Amino acid sequence: GAVVSQHPSWVICKSGTSVKIECRSLDFQATTMFWYRQFPKQSLMLMATSNEGSKATYEQGVEKDKFLINHASLTLSTLTVTSAHPEDSSFYICSARDQALSFLNQPQHFGDGTRLSIL
Amino acid sequence: DQQVKQNSPSLSVQEGRISILNCDYTNSMFDYFLWYKKYPAEGPTFLISISSIKDKNEDGRFTVFLNKSAKHLSLHIVPSQPGDSAVYFCAASGYSSASKIIFGSGTRLSIRP
Repeated sequence: GAVVSQHPSWVICKSGTSVKIECRSLDFQATTMFWYRQFPKQSLMLMATSNEGSKATYEQGVEKDKFLINHASLTLSTLTVTSAHPEDSSFYICSARDQALSFLNQPQHFGDGTRLSIL
Repeated sequence: DQQVKQNSPSLSVQEGRISILNCDYTNSMFDYFLWYKKYPAEGPTFLISISSIKDKNEDGRFTVFLNKSAKHLSLHIVPSQPGDSAVYFCAASGYSSASKIIFGSGTRLSIRP
C-alpha cells in the first residue's frame, strides 16, 4: 500500500531555533499534501495544504511566517517551524493521497508524525 | 464550529463482543467518510471508508454504516480483539483529490479481557 515517510520522528531543540520536518510519499506522487498538528488527547487539526509548485494554503489562525511550507516536488513537502518556542511543542503529522488513483478508492495516508519538543 | 463530532471520548468493550463507535457531521457537502485508527506517537492508519452513495461498507471485522438523512455514521468492529485498543478518528471530506479531511475528536476504545 501507499507509504508516507516523515522525518525526523522526534526532535528536541532550544527555543529560537528553526526545525525542518520532511514528508515524503515513497511509492506514489502527490500534488497535494496536508500538514496537521495534534495536541495531547486532542484531534488532528489541519494546519495547511501543501501544493506542489505553488504556495501553500493555510487554515485560519495558522501563521504563515511561523510555519513555512515548501512542496518542491511531487514526492516531498517540508514544514519549517521558524524561531520555535515552547508553545510550538506538539505532534506534527503529514498526509498525502496518490493523485493517480481514483479518489473513491484512495484515502489519505499519513506519516508516523514528528514529536517536536522545544526547551 | 465542529463539523465532525464524536461525542464519546472513550468506550470499553469486552473481548469478543461488538464495538460500536459513532460519529455525527453537520456539513451536508461531505461526500466521503473515513475511519482511522491511531496509536500514541504514531500517524493515523486508514481502516475503512464509505462514499455518500452507499449506506454500508464491510471489510473483514469492520463495517461502516452511513445514514445521510441523520448525518450519522458508525463503525462496527466484531468480534473485538485486544489489538483493537486504540483511538479511532472519524473523518469527512469532499470528493476532490485536494479536499481537506476534517477529523472528529476521537474515541478511545479499550478492549478488556
